[in-house]
Amino acid sequence: KAGVTQTPRYLIKTRGQQVTLSCSPISGHRSVSWYQQTPGQGLQFLFEYFSETQRNKGNFPGRFSGRQFSNSRSEMNVSTLELGDSALYLCASSNIGPDGYTFGSGTRLTVV
Amino acid sequence: QKEVEQNSGPLSVPEGAIASLNCTYSDRGSQSFFWYRQYSGKSPELIMFIYSNGDKEDGRFTAQLNKASQYVSLLIRDSQPSDSATYLCAVQGGATNKLIFGTGTLLAVQP
Repeated sequence: KAGVTQTPRYLIKTRGQQVTLSCSPISGHRSVSWYQQTPGQGLQFLFEYFSETQRNKGNFPGRFSGRQFSNSRSEMNVSTLELGDSALYLCASSNIGPDGYTFGSGTRLTVV
Repeated sequence: QKEVEQNSGPLSVPEGAIASLNCTYSDRGSQSFFWYRQYSGKSPELIMFIYSNGDKEDGRFTAQLNKASQYVSLLIRDSQPSDSATYLCAVQGGATNKLIFGTGTLLAVQP
């Protein structure tokens, strides 16, 4: 059974640019959550999608957005990149039921 | 007050000892509690979950939950150097049902 797939693994962008990250959940999982991980702040919740609807949103500026497609794949977009956006972005998928979330390998974004 | 709090460590224990990792949470409506392990440079992996007060054992791992005290713990028996990692406590439920993580405790098991 394939796990959660995130692409790309690494990205280097310039301040002011925008970036789109992709996440393919485990087959059959309908919920996808995104997290930002930095050394100082730990795992910060960005948003959660379920059946193409945003179910929860964290405390991030509007430059961070996401969406989910009918096949449960999800994308997140960050516009007008800032140096502070440099982080590991993790996607996690889950099924209905209390079994926790399975994480992808993450996308390491570096903003220069 | 942070929603989920953990001591950042490092917690250093000798090989074969019991490692005790603790976590407190602020939302009394929280219903599901998870422990994830994250090796350096890797993504978090789920090792335990618990929903009811009391203890839950899985191999060398025991999760303990006390909802009245808003406290979750993870015990690792017979600690091995391969257990050296950051352990993340995560809490779900309450007002938003978001899965919220603590900042993690770094565990170092000394051979």
